[in-house]
Amino acid sequence: AQTVTQSQPEMSVQEAETVTLSCTYDTSESDYYLFWYKQPPSRQMILVIRQEAYKQQNATENRFSVNFQKAAKSFSLKISDSQLGDAAMYFCAYRRGQGGSEKLVFGKGTKLTVNP
Amino acid sequence: NAGVMQNPRHLVRRRGQEARLRCSPMKGHSHVYWYRQLPEEGLKFMVYLQKENIIDESGMPKERFSAEFPKEGPSILRIQQVVRGDSAAYFCASSPISGLATYNEQFFGPGTRLTVL
Repeated sequence: AQTVTQSQPEMSVQEAETVTLSCTYDTSESDYYLFWYKQPPSRQMILVIRQEAYKQQNATENRFSVNFQKAAKSFSLKISDSQLGDAAMYFCAYRRGQGGSEKLVFGKGTKLTVNP
Repeated sequence: NAGVMQNPRHLVRRRGQEARLRCSPMKGHSHVYWYRQLPEEGLKFMVYLQKENIIDESGMPKERFSAEFPKEGPSILRIQQVVRGDSAAYFCASSPISGLATYNEQFFGPGTRLTVL
């Protein structure tokens, strides 16, 4: 079974600084997707960024970027120029590629605090 | 285009009662997923449904829990004889029909927070 591990229960960053959240995963599949979701206090799950395993290029979305190391099964999220609105729980998630159940497997999350 | 709707947003039940959670997917979406989030935990998959079919229920507890997604109307997650351990946030997500696209994003609803007294 696939597992996702987030080893940092909590992280903090100063406003305007950069922070990196870690995620590792375990799978025997070669075709899969990886995601970072943000969950603010409202509890709404918001997709931050997605990475296809077959793509070597790291995904970026504005201030958010990932470092995808397929051989190491590592998928970290970098937030640049942190803003107060970035404070939230961040979940790393895995999904098999086409042909299997499309369920998401989540890590336990990292609580990010942004200090003014 | 309205997002995924869940109701109620908050539900309080006493031990032994039944809980019914409803999920209306986004317009045009025919796939529904239910996830449970226990306090201080990540979301855990429960069940994946398409219209009138359960595709994957590998995350559903064997007893007291059931889910349906009828041809008409919302998807329902039903918990019979609730216990305190069922207290959690239950999230529904929907995605469009699988087709030529290799990826279908799951759009999440706001969740239903169930409290069992």
